[in-house]
Amino acid sequence: QKEVEQDPGPLSVPEGAIVSLNCTYSNSAFQYFMWYRQYSRKGPELLMYTYSSGNKEDGRFTAQVDKSSKYISLFIRDSQPSDSATYLCAMKAGVNQFYFGTGTSLTVIP
Amino acid sequence: KAGVTQTPRYLIKTRGQQVTLSCSPISGHRSVSWYQQTPGQGLQFLFEYFSETQRNKGNFPGRFSGRQFSNSRSEMNVSTLELGDSALYLCASSSFLTGANTEAFFGQGTRLTVV
Repeated sequence: QKEVEQDPGPLSVPEGAIVSLNCTYSNSAFQYFMWYRQYSRKGPELLMYTYSSGNKEDGRFTAQVDKSSKYISLFIRDSQPSDSATYLCAMKAGVNQFYFGTGTSLTVIP
Repeated sequence: KAGVTQTPRYLIKTRGQQVTLSCSPISGHRSVSWYQQTPGQGLQFLFEYFSETQRNKGNFPGRFSGRQFSNSRSEMNVSTLELGDSALYLCASSSFLTGANTEAFFGQGTRLTVV
């Protein structure tokens, strides 16, 4: 079983839709949770960073962590064509080793 | 503040050759990690260096090695290249210190193609 599972999609939504991206994980030691956005032929760009359980909001983006269920989510409100990218979840325990999901490809159609 | 710089951006090598990739982290960041990204496997952790010492290592063969210099710049070397080594190699820097924690910032990557 992989440490982090993420539905690869692809996911296609109309502009303005609410997008929900999810990851599950198996290692209960994970405490730090991140979402990265990666455009084609670019490196991943950090979107959200949360510690432990709870919600964090930044503009149109909301990250949720449910440690009891080992489940994290990223919500994108009022999605835009510029949000079209691959979204990667990442997490780690105390050491500086990140575990990534395989990424979900998102296309927002104008 | 300059970001993470990786050079070269693209490389084409022949099977059996070796290759060296370079990464300059964000100024002040002392931790550098390397990842291999392929369509099927996603991002896989290679190793992490902090203050010139390898602190963590992923499940890759010994053909993959790295080092970090006193100015925190890091290099990754792959010897005896195989076709399956074709991938995007990403470097990430963070200011991770013992007892503290921060997120990682990625470079643009080096796309290696082995023919």
